[in-house]
Amino acid sequence: AQKITQTQPGMFVQEKEAVTLDCTYDTSDPSYGLFWYKQPSSGEMIFLIYQGSYDQQNATEGRYSLNFQKARKSANLVISASQLGDSAMYFCAMRERDSSYKLIFGSGTRLLVRP
Amino acid sequence: EAGVAQSPRYKIIEKRQSVAFWCNPISGHATLYWYQQILGQGPKLLIQFQNNGVVDDSQLPKDRFSAERLKGVDSTLKIQPAKLEDSAVYLCASSPSGRGELFFGEGSRLTVL
Repeated sequence: AQKITQTQPGMFVQEKEAVTLDCTYDTSDPSYGLFWYKQPSSGEMIFLIYQGSYDQQNATEGRYSLNFQKARKSANLVISASQLGDSAMYFCAMRERDSSYKLIFGSGTRLLVRP
Repeated sequence: EAGVAQSPRYKIIEKRQSVAFWCNPISGHATLYWYQQILGQGPKLLIQFQNNGVVDDSQLPKDRFSAERLKGVDSTLKIQPAKLEDSAVYLCASSPSGRGELFFGEGSRLTVL
């Protein structure tokens, strides 16, 4: 079974609008962390935001917020006020305590911001 | 603070040749990872080190891939002999411990002809 599922291969958003990138995960480990990374065309992986399984509040980092719904096992990334520079691949990833904290990635969503 | 350094950035070889990639993690980071990212896919973990010991190498094709982390600092990933399907970007990442975010290098892009 897929540990991390990103069902949107590609997304479009108009500049200055908000966009939600979906991520669902599968784990039976009570201790885990969820991450979002951005990968521009240049190839580097840029850390965006982190949510721990025991965190009571949804994580926020500037224009990025994570909509964490534990019971549904979803961790959607919300980008507010999209900018042209947000065009990139976005990867959801998970680390589980019982898996030696290795980071497992989803297949990614390509976001294109239209001017 | 210096980031994760990788070299070479690009490498083109013919199938059945060998290649080696080098990674220098962020100073003090105990955990080091090698990922393979095939075009259009998410990164796949090949091997994870904690200091100089292997934590997970379950997805490393051990008949052709090898990796080592001498003295718990630098690491080398080797492919011998290379196959066409090994064409990918090889990403090195490090983290201070087993938890928290990973810091990635710029990657080494391998093309096997």
